[in-house]
Amino acid sequence: EVQLVESGGGLVQPGGSLRLSCAVSGFTFSSLWMTWVRQAPGKGLEWVANIKHDGSEKYHVDSVKGRFTISRDNAKNSLFLQMNSLRVEDTAVYYCTRRAWTLDYWGQGTLVTVSS
Amino acid sequence: QSALTQSASVSGSPGQSITISCTGTSSDVGGYNYVSWYQQHPGKAPKIVIYEVSNRPSGVSNRFSGSKSGNTASLTISGLQAEDEADYYCFSYTSSNTLVFGGGTKLTVL
Repeated sequence: EVQLVESGGGLVQPGGSLRLSCAVSGFTFSSLWMTWVRQAPGKGLEWVANIKHDGSEKYHVDSVKGRFTISRDNAKNSLFLQMNSLRVEDTAVYYCTRRAWTLDYWGQGTLVTVSS
Repeated sequence: QSALTQSASVSGSPGQSITISCTGTSSDVGGYNYVSWYQQHPGKAPKIVIYEVSNRPSGVSNRFSGSKSGNTASLTISGLQAEDEADYYCFSYTSSNTLVFGGGTKLTVL
């Protein structure tokens, strides 16, 4: 059974940092692209970043470039999102999802709240 | 990286069919067959219902179908059921090697 479990969310002040993690199981993690998607409270879905199976290619939405970095550890079946210089507008549920343009499995999400 | 355009809401009665459209440009929807659709019930994670324009994942009802014409993709749900009431999002690959969602459409089953 495919499982994606996010962790690392919480309350942080503007300008602060958080590192989200996604532990996966039930499939060959090292063979697939992975993606982070977020959803602000009461708003729609927003694609944040994705990463190739071997980590050699990474893409980020313009609004997080230079502040967020997606990475992975294939030996530990884990996906990460390092979030620096957080802004109030980054407040959202962050979802870990499988693949790149067909997001076929989703985690339950982890809430990040940026507030003073 | 502008969001794809979807109507904010659509409604239909049980048994009817509805269509949700998703309009982009030749740099996203019109340029690639990497359009997918997601259903999201309140408080839940999204679930894929259509991938690569018109393909239905295993386990998704055949009442869901997808198509594309030019820069506009469409999701049709036939034989509406109460459980179909949810938010629906389209999603497309873009020429910038990024991806973009539509703004979402709220489906109400009357």
